[in-house]
Amino acid sequence: KAGVTQTPRYLIKTRGQQVTLSCSPISGHRSVSWYQQTPGQGLQFLFEYFSETQRNKGNFPGRFSGRQFSNSRSEMNVSTLELGDSALYLCASSIGHRDANTGELFFGEGSRLTVL
Amino acid sequence: GDSVTQMEGPVTLSEEAFLTINCTYTATGYPSLFWYVQYPGEGLQLLLKATKADDKGSNKGFEATYRKETTSFHLEKGSVQVSDSAVYFCAFISSGSARQLTFGSGTQLTVLP
Repeated sequence: KAGVTQTPRYLIKTRGQQVTLSCSPISGHRSVSWYQQTPGQGLQFLFEYFSETQRNKGNFPGRFSGRQFSNSRSEMNVSTLELGDSALYLCASSIGHRDANTGELFFGEGSRLTVL
Repeated sequence: GDSVTQMEGPVTLSEEAFLTINCTYTATGYPSLFWYVQYPGEGLQLLLKATKADDKGSNKGFEATYRKETTSFHLEKGSVQVSDSAVYFCAFISSGSARQLTFGSGTQLTVLP
């Protein structure tokens, strides 16, 4: 069974640009979560989607947004990029339960964003 | 607020040595606890979990026991291998309404042959 697929794996942008990252979850998984990983801040939760609805959101500015499609694939967008947005962005999927996230996540390898 | 405190790394051990990585948490209610592992160049993988007090999670020779009285979930392995070299993350998900996975800062483990 294919794992979580994230594209692109690497990208370089300049300040002020925007970026869209894509995540295809494991087949049958309905919940997708996004995390930002940096050496200084570690893993920080961005948001979680379940059945096309944002169910939970972390403490990030409005420049960070996401969505989920009917096939459970998800995208996240960062607008007006800043140097501090350079990070590994990890997507994780889970089977998902209507009431809550169980915490058992399957992670992709991440999209490494460098902002110059 | 909710948080996880993990043992600072990096940790370097010789093959077959005993491993302990300390983890304590601050959370409301009765969280579920996890250890995730990240091998070089890969995403995180769930290593083990425990969902209630005194539960012991185990996998691949690793163990951790949910200690509510000390709010701890220390990871142990009796005999590490070179292939265990990775970054280990302690995490929890609270039982409250904001059910997001909160991670510790990670502990880099290097095992030397």
